[in-house]
Amino acid sequence: DAGITQSPRHKVTETGTPVTLRCHQTENHRYMYWYRQDPGHGLRLIHYSYGVKDTDKGEVSDGYSVSRSKTEDFLLTLESATSSQTSVYFCAISGGQNSYEQYFGPGTRLTVT
Amino acid sequence: SQQGEEDPQALSIQEGENATMNCSYKTSINNLQWYRQNSGRGLVHLILIRSNEREKHSGRLRVTLDTSKKSSSLLITASRAADTASYFCATAEDDYKLSFGAGTTVTVRA
Repeated sequence: DAGITQSPRHKVTETGTPVTLRCHQTENHRYMYWYRQDPGHGLRLIHYSYGVKDTDKGEVSDGYSVSRSKTEDFLLTLESATSSQTSVYFCAISGGQNSYEQYFGPGTRLTVT
Repeated sequence: SQQGEEDPQALSIQEGENATMNCSYKTSINNLQWYRQNSGRGLVHLILIRSNEREKHSGRLRVTLDTSKKSSSLLITASRAADTASYFCATAEDDYKLSFGAGTTVTVRA
């Protein structure tokens, strides 16, 4: 398995609180991605990074921000969590030898009450 | 919006049978990929086919790509219980971003 970890793996939080999810890789891959997965929607891209301090928005970026201060870490922040952000969040990386393939972390299940 | 759409949404087959699922997409692509997701786990990359390729094999997997119809198919031959999972197609345009479909859920009955 590619060296990708996500923390926390499960979190329950209240509406209006800030939440930060962490993705950590040991593969030195250039690209990192945050997706959310909801029933009937597959995976939707929230934000992605193409290098340290280089990030861009994805399809569903409203209400989310990201930061990448080191190659290995990509943080996703929900500034003020809402119930519509209850989802499973996946981090992925790419840019290795098989450069277009993405490798996924185990996911974080977030519940906003 | 999602680029790829899989069909069918769900598929139930007997062990040993073949499973075929299809993916249609809307715009020009650089490559198309298929991923598998077991329940409660992250996605695992299965196979990538480039826009200038028509067919690709990997073990019991066969993928076809028809760019004129903007469609792809994934065939799993001689299915096993361990093939029970959700399968997603993902399309890549000019950059490293992928657009995923909603997936096909495959159940292999013993």
